[in-house]
Amino acid sequence: DQQVKQNSPSLSVQEGRISILNCDYTNSMFDYFLWYKKYPAEGPTFLISISSIKDKNEDGRFTVFLNKSAKHLSLHIVPSQPGDSAVYFCAASVLGGNEKLTFGTGTRLTIIP
Amino acid sequence: GAVVSQHPSWVICKSGTSVKIECRSLDFQATTMFWYRQFPKQSLMLMATSNEGSKATYEQGVEKDKFLINHASLTLSTLTVTSAHPEDSSFYICSARRGRSNQPQHFGDGTRLSIL
Repeated sequence: DQQVKQNSPSLSVQEGRISILNCDYTNSMFDYFLWYKKYPAEGPTFLISISSIKDKNEDGRFTVFLNKSAKHLSLHIVPSQPGDSAVYFCAASVLGGNEKLTFGTGTRLTIIP
Repeated sequence: GAVVSQHPSWVICKSGTSVKIECRSLDFQATTMFWYRQFPKQSLMLMATSNEGSKATYEQGVEKDKFLINHASLTLSTLTVTSAHPEDSSFYICSARRGRSNQPQHFGDGTRLSIL
């Protein structure tokens, strides 16, 4: 049972435009969400997180939006840069629970110069 | 910063060998470390969670006698794959977290294990 889903395996965006990566989850107990970026042959790098008491968190070019009723979160990158080309994973956990991160299957983002 | 170093990055060895992988948090103390395994074209699957000084908690289906985890200090955890066989070939990756569960996990660069 895939509790965290990233339905788009790939996404191509023109440099300078907005990249929007989506993630859906099924477990209503999840209350802490994270986005990671991964380059080939490297481990995931933490980008940004959000807890369920918020619906938006912003850090520089990265903004994460959380819609709890729809069990949906998205990562917005604006403006997109060539260095943003990577695989992006969303992850979810239950704070104060078993602390386990459940990952989505990833979306490969390609920024076109 | 939050740097996690994993060593070695790539191991090739014969069937029956035991392989040890190290995970170190270089610039912070990690109260909790995690070990994941990734199969091709799949997401990271948690194998076990370890807290410094206590026994690791293994996920369902992970053999604890096969995958030995030691978390002897706040900056080091090791995963030993005992008597490795070809089906153990995979990408193993660790992460470390400082403090409580509302802190992000920071990942090492992973270890590619190939058993011949």
